[in-house]
Amino acid sequence: DIQMTQSPSSVSASVGDRVTITCRASQDIGSWLGWYQQKPGKAPKLLVYGASSLQSGVPSRFSGSGSGTDFTLTISSLQPDDFATYYCQQTNSFPRTFGQGTKVQIK
Amino acid sequence: DVQLVESGGGLVQPGGSLRLSCAASGFSFSSYSMNWVRQAPGKGLEWISYITSSSDTEYYADSVKGRFTISRDNAKNSLHLQMNSLRAEDTALYYCARGKHYDTSGYYFDYWGRGTLVTVSS
Repeated sequence: DIQMTQSPSSVSASVGDRVTITCRASQDIGSWLGWYQQKPGKAPKLLVYGASSLQSGVPSRFSGSGSGTDFTLTISSLQPDDFATYYCQQTNSFPRTFGQGTKVQIK
Repeated sequence: DVQLVESGGGLVQPGGSLRLSCAASGFSFSSYSMNWVRQAPGKGLEWISYITSSSDTEYYADSVKGRFTISRDNAKNSLHLQMNSLRAEDTALYYCARGKHYDTSGYYFDYWGRGTLVTVSS
């Protein structure tokens, strides 16, 4: 199975800050990587697919990059609506493993 | 609008069984593969099962293989998860999620339900 490791596990940031979350796969997954946002009590929401493509309706302050084993999700200017937990997921093979999540908290 | 509504969760004793359902609407259900994803209280997301649009292929996480069975009824726009031999560690919120292929970019979960809670306890 492919293991997905996110860092950091949590980050405290202020509105307007640039936030970067990293996701590392245990083996090459090409660009088969998605990022999801989950707010408390809500279902996850797809933000990025194919490592760098924004899902329709997702604000342009979100961006994804990377390929192979190392990926990043960047929020260029953190907004109040962005405080949530973020998960990466590989879709290269089954099982479709998720990272353990990164919680973005208010500083 | 696409809607996925899970049901069937509840309290069950260890070793017991439960059948979850997911009612789909707002899209051509028979054209999409589907998934179940769970989230234990305070924990992260765990993908547990996948089924193709025509039910010809299924996959399971090792944690549920041999105990859970995914199925679907395209005539009724519904997805199911039969859960047997339940354990305390199966306690979680269970989501159904639609899978979508994005050209050559891979396969992702573009719509999710709100989940149904399964609690395994004596």
